[in-house]
Amino acid sequence: AQTVTQSQPEMSVQEAETVTLSCTYDTSESDYYLFWYKQPPSRQMILVIRQEAYKQQNATENRFSVNFQKAAKSFSLKISDSQLGDAAMYFCAYLNFGNEKLTFGTGTRLTIIP
Amino acid sequence: KAGVTQTPRYLIKTRGQQVTLSCSPISGHRSVSWYQQTPGQGLQFLFEYFSETQRNKGNFPGRFSGRQFSNSRSEMNVSTLELGDSALYLCASSLATTSSSYEQYFGPGTRLTVT
Repeated sequence: AQTVTQSQPEMSVQEAETVTLSCTYDTSESDYYLFWYKQPPSRQMILVIRQEAYKQQNATENRFSVNFQKAAKSFSLKISDSQLGDAAMYFCAYLNFGNEKLTFGTGTRLTIIP
Repeated sequence: KAGVTQTPRYLIKTRGQQVTLSCSPISGHRSVSWYQQTPGQGLQFLFEYFSETQRNKGNFPGRFSGRQFSNSRSEMNVSTLELGDSALYLCASSLATTSSSYEQYFGPGTRLTVT
């Protein structure tokens, strides 16, 4: 069974600064996808960024980028130029190729300090 | 394009009752997954439906069931409610294709409280 670990329950960052959220996972599969989701206090889970395991290039979406280290089974999220609207719970998630079951980490609560 | 919708948004039930939650996926999405979110257990996968067939099932008791209709709308049912079933129930839809990287888009959730 796959597992996802987020070792930072809480993080805080000054507005406009950069923060990195950590995620490690365990799997014996070679084809899979990794995601970061954001859940603001409003509860709606929002997809932030995705990474296909077969791609060596790290995914980037505007101010959000990942550092994907397949051999180390590490998938960290970097948020640049942090904004107040980035405050939320961030979940790292794993999905096997061809399977719709997302396995989530326990989440990291990100606070933005004005 | 409209997002995933879930009804109702809030629900209060009594132990022993049953409940039905509804989810309407994004237009064109044929896969619907359900997740339970609690402070203690986090986010857990319940089941996934594709073209009216259950393809995947999580580790939940048989009291939790679901179905999908021909228009891809899905319902989940919980019978004989227990206090521990109090949770946020999230529905997610997906194109379920390689080209979409199996991205799942979530609805706002239904907050179920069992008293």
